[in-house]
Amino acid sequence: QITLKESGPTLVKPTETLMLTCTFSGFSLTSSGVAVGWIRQTPGKALEWLAHIYWNGDKYYNPSLQTRLTISKDTSNNLVVLTMTAMEPVDSATYYCAQSPTYSVSTVFASWGQGTLVAVSS
Amino acid sequence: NFVLTQPHSVSGSPGKTVSISCTRSSGNIATDYVQWYQQRPGSSPTLLIYDDDERPSGVPARFSGSIDRSSNSASLTISGLRPEDEADYYCQSADERIYHWVFGGGTRLTVL
Repeated sequence: QITLKESGPTLVKPTETLMLTCTFSGFSLTSSGVAVGWIRQTPGKALEWLAHIYWNGDKYYNPSLQTRLTISKDTSNNLVVLTMTAMEPVDSATYYCAQSPTYSVSTVFASWGQGTLVAVSS
Repeated sequence: NFVLTQPHSVSGSPGKTVSISCTRSSGNIATDYVQWYQQRPGSSPTLLIYDDDERPSGVPARFSGSIDRSSNSASLTISGLRPEDEADYYCQSADERIYHWVFGGGTRLTVL
């Protein structure tokens, strides 16, 4: 059974850096083709893809946020970390991590964490 | 990059069939696969359809996906509507050449 769980601060101040951790089990991020991505959902309900990291270390970022995002992995501890700099109130959202398996031709978000709600306010 | 446009809301009666469209603003809908996700209130999204028309294990055959090249759109069809199908549905695709993933704005399904 694949599980993912996001963790991090629930409140950050404007201009601060957000660091979120995705701890997962049931799969290995060393397996060929596997990836973990981050997606956020604003209070208005829209989903927005943020970043992706593959088993081989390849990383991809949403072009509109690329300068603020860094994704990394720790395969020994089964976790993926996302940092987002210069947080603003508009970044208030629920942040999800999701696993991309190998059974699909395309990269899909097959298993999702429960999400973590982050508010940005002074 | 491209935008995926979905209707804000659709509705249907129990036992009926509804379809939700997802129109790609630029580029060919058939070039990159389309996925569909269901999000029930208070829950995380779950994968319903991948690679245009494939169902993950455990997803009922009532859910089906398709693409229409003439309208440059994808569709999710739900047959035999049940009250528990009331949820938000999101389409998702990508420009895999530049590794960029895009979600539609979501459609609220109401089962009357």
